[in-house]
Amino acid sequence: DTAVSQTPKYLVTQMGNDKSIKCEQNLGHDTMYWYKQDSKKFLKIMFSYNNKELIINETVPNRFSPKSPDKAHLNLHINSLELGDSAVYFCASSPDRWSSGANVLTFGAGSRLTVL
Amino acid sequence: GENVEQHPSTLSVQEGDSAVIKCTYSDSASNYFPWYKQELGKGPQLIIDIRSNVGEKKDQRIAVTLNKTAKHFSLHITETQPEDSAVYFCAAISLRLNQFYFGTGTSLTVIP
Repeated sequence: DTAVSQTPKYLVTQMGNDKSIKCEQNLGHDTMYWYKQDSKKFLKIMFSYNNKELIINETVPNRFSPKSPDKAHLNLHINSLELGDSAVYFCASSPDRWSSGANVLTFGAGSRLTVL
Repeated sequence: GENVEQHPSTLSVQEGDSAVIKCTYSDSASNYFPWYKQELGKGPQLIIDIRSNVGEKKDQRIAVTLNKTAKHFSLHITETQPEDSAVYFCAAISLRLNQFYFGTGTSLTVIP
């Protein structure tokens, strides 16, 4: 079973369009994240939700809006896409309490967004 | 906030040699230091971690060392193999504050 799954894996779209990326985790974790990885491989945190409540909102344009219908899902909606939005977007999740040896942050496989 | 620096950004080694990647952090509240390996087309995967009350941890060919006083930690890979080729990320985490900070990544190439 995939622990953190995100769809779609690839997304090619035109500038100005609106698109969404979905994420689901079956680990029972309480916190979910969206990271953006640019062409230089930098991993930059965008948002974090804990039990459906927004707890981290880094400097991200208002065109990006996360939505968490329940603690197992965190979707990312992007309005008016721009060329600079092209990147790989990773969803991740973590538990509130860590036991020894537990993996504190589990990533999905990524969604590659290409804006033409 | 935390600032995690990672060096080098790229590293090439011959198969069988050792590879070392170093990271420094700034926030003394950070108490957990995982290392992630990202293979092409995949998400980062945890390979080893160390907590602030431990100075060294080893798992087969990989080891991590932590110097809390100097605020730096390192990943050591011995007897490198071509399948070790990937991008490696260090991270400094405050478990209490639930905050994660990643290094800028090291692209490791193992030459057969």
